[in-house]
Amino acid sequence: EAGVAQSPRYKIIEKRQSVAFWCNPISGHATLYWYQQILGQGPKLLIQFQNNGVVDDSQLPKDRFSAERLKGVDSTLKIQPAKLEDSAVYLCASSQAPSTGEQYFGPGTRLTVT
Amino acid sequence: GDSVTQMEGPVTLSEEAFLTINCTYTATGYPSLFWYVQYPGEGLQLLLKATKADDKGSNKGFEATYRKETTSFHLEKGSVQVSDSAVYFCALSALGGTALIFGKGTTLSVSS
Repeated sequence: EAGVAQSPRYKIIEKRQSVAFWCNPISGHATLYWYQQILGQGPKLLIQFQNNGVVDDSQLPKDRFSAERLKGVDSTLKIQPAKLEDSAVYLCASSQAPSTGEQYFGPGTRLTVT
Repeated sequence: GDSVTQMEGPVTLSEEAFLTINCTYTATGYPSLFWYVQYPGEGLQLLLKATKADDKGSNKGFEATYRKETTSFHLEKGSVQVSDSAVYFCALSALGGTALIFGKGTTLSVSS
């Protein structure tokens, strides 16, 4: 079974530029999560989707971050414009049974904002 | 709000030593508790979990017991191997399938 796919794996941009990350979850997993992991900290939820609907985006900085999952499968997370403090690893995870708390994580995208 | 606190690292051990990584939590209600592990160059993966008080999760020689009275979920292994070197994250999920809340992670380095 293929795991969660993410691209790109690494990205370097200048502040005020825009960037987009892509995630393809495990087939059949209706729930998709985006987390932000700043160096030395644990992952922090940005947004949770159930199919193509948003379940929780309370911690998403909506003035600069946006995410979509239009067909209920793959998802895109965008940052526009980027700030220095957005430098982090962006993790995508999916779950077939969110009530269990078991999530499957992709390898992440490491973003560096200069 | 809900939170997880785990011991600061790095933890450096010799092969076959005993491992304990402490984890305590704050939550309303009765969350499910997890340990996730991140091996070098790999993504986070579930190591073990427990869903109610006094449950013991176990996998690959690692164990953790859900202690409601002390709000703890400490990770233990009797004899670590070099291949156990990784970053370990304690996490909780409140009832209803909410997203995971993670601790800061503890880096374990095991030398032969």
